[in-house]
Amino acid sequence: GAVVSQHPSWVICKSGTSVKIECRSLDFQATTMFWYRQFPKQSLMLMATSNEGSKATYEQGVEKDKFLINHASLTLSTLTVTSAHPEDSSFYICSAQREGLTGELFFGEGSRLTVL
Amino acid sequence: AQSVTQLDSQVPVFEEAPVELRCNYSSSVSVYLFWYVQYPNQGLQLLLKYLSGSTLVKGINGFEAEFNKSQTSFHLRKPSVHISDTAEYFCAVRTPYQGAQKLVFGQGTRLTINP
Repeated sequence: GAVVSQHPSWVICKSGTSVKIECRSLDFQATTMFWYRQFPKQSLMLMATSNEGSKATYEQGVEKDKFLINHASLTLSTLTVTSAHPEDSSFYICSAQREGLTGELFFGEGSRLTVL
Repeated sequence: AQSVTQLDSQVPVFEEAPVELRCNYSSSVSVYLFWYVQYPNQGLQLLLKYLSGSTLVKGINGFEAEFNKSQTSFHLRKPSVHISDTAEYFCAVRTPYQGAQKLVFGQGTRLTINP
């Protein structure tokens, strides 16, 4: 099946620094990628929809300046958590939609961010 | 808008026993339905999906689900579980329209298999 890879799988950073998480579709082109946030023992919360070559569409309540999303190519989307704080600690998951294939998204392995 | 309710947050089951994880959805339009499994510290893996056709859908790892339109349900079942089935299970829906396909997830059900 299709593969979506996230990097890094885990990261620890100091408060006030910025962290970039990459999401790559390894064997297909993804015009649309999604970023989710998952708190412990909770469901996935959609943060934003990332479209190649255009600005991301953020869900209500998600700070655009805090969570910068870039979808520079058909195989790569990045999420940058700017000026991270401990409350930003979470599990971030991306998914990619393969053009022409209906009904399924392919998920990355997730990235665990811990802000000290 | 669509919504998904997973009625059980936790389901403990003995190994080799059958299990059913319940999922109900709400939508004013037709939907596609999905079940995903998440193992600890991992992303989501698709178990099965219902797009159209037969209401009984078979997926990976011996799981199956039945779409019941009148009851707006899509319950997941397995006749005999294994220790390796211990994981978090998410039911999800989306509309069958073109363009970006946002999934709406349920709250998740933690399945624990006891020996």
